[in-house]
Amino acid sequence: GQNIDQPTEMTATEGAIVQINCTYQTSGFNGLFWYQQHAGEAPTFLSYNVLDGLEEKGRFSSFLSRSKGYSYLLLKELQMKDSASYLCAVMDSNYQLIWGAGTKLIIKP
Amino acid sequence: ETGVTQTPRHLVMGMTNKKSLKCEQHLGHNAMYWYKQSAKKPLELMFVYNFKEQTENNSVPSRFSPECPNSSHLFLHLHTLQPEDSALYLCASSQEEGAGNTIYFGEGSWLTVV
Repeated sequence: GQNIDQPTEMTATEGAIVQINCTYQTSGFNGLFWYQQHAGEAPTFLSYNVLDGLEEKGRFSSFLSRSKGYSYLLLKELQMKDSASYLCAVMDSNYQLIWGAGTKLIIKP
Repeated sequence: ETGVTQTPRHLVMGMTNKKSLKCEQHLGHNAMYWYKQSAKKPLELMFVYNFKEQTENNSVPSRFSPECPNSSHLFLHLHTLQPEDSALYLCASSQEEGAGNTIYFGEGSWLTVV
């Protein structure tokens, strides 16, 4: 079966750095997405990786290793507004998005 | 504002009621989706329309009935629902179905079945 694993919840301190991991087993691979979802709001697109390596976008970076079936989202200089759930999703060979259950990130002052 | 608008934002309905959720996208996209989001569970894809044609129906019970009259509008008709259908229903759109197409979500419709 297809599976996406990410931690259920993480806690970090304002101003610090946090890494949210995502591992996947899917039938084929056509890219990996990260979304941010604040409570009661729509998931919003953060990043898309299809090749191995690191993609940097301001305070957020996303890394992909296809051989290891592994990605992480790195958030730097954490702010209170970064408190949200972070969703990892992989597009399989049928162009279906397989979603993880999300990681709830709690930022403490 | 994500460019995908859903109404109503909140809906409470009895198990014998018939109601509809509406979605409209202003992004010029050709693919639209319905997802179900339950607490602490992955997003569940329900239906996909690509250029107004239904391309995916993920074994969704017939009490959920989608309608896509054009590329900008998507409906989810609800009837004789069960309490376990209570969830957040998210509409989304993308340029097309397929690799590299980022999907954009609406704010969702919170559904409670009593």
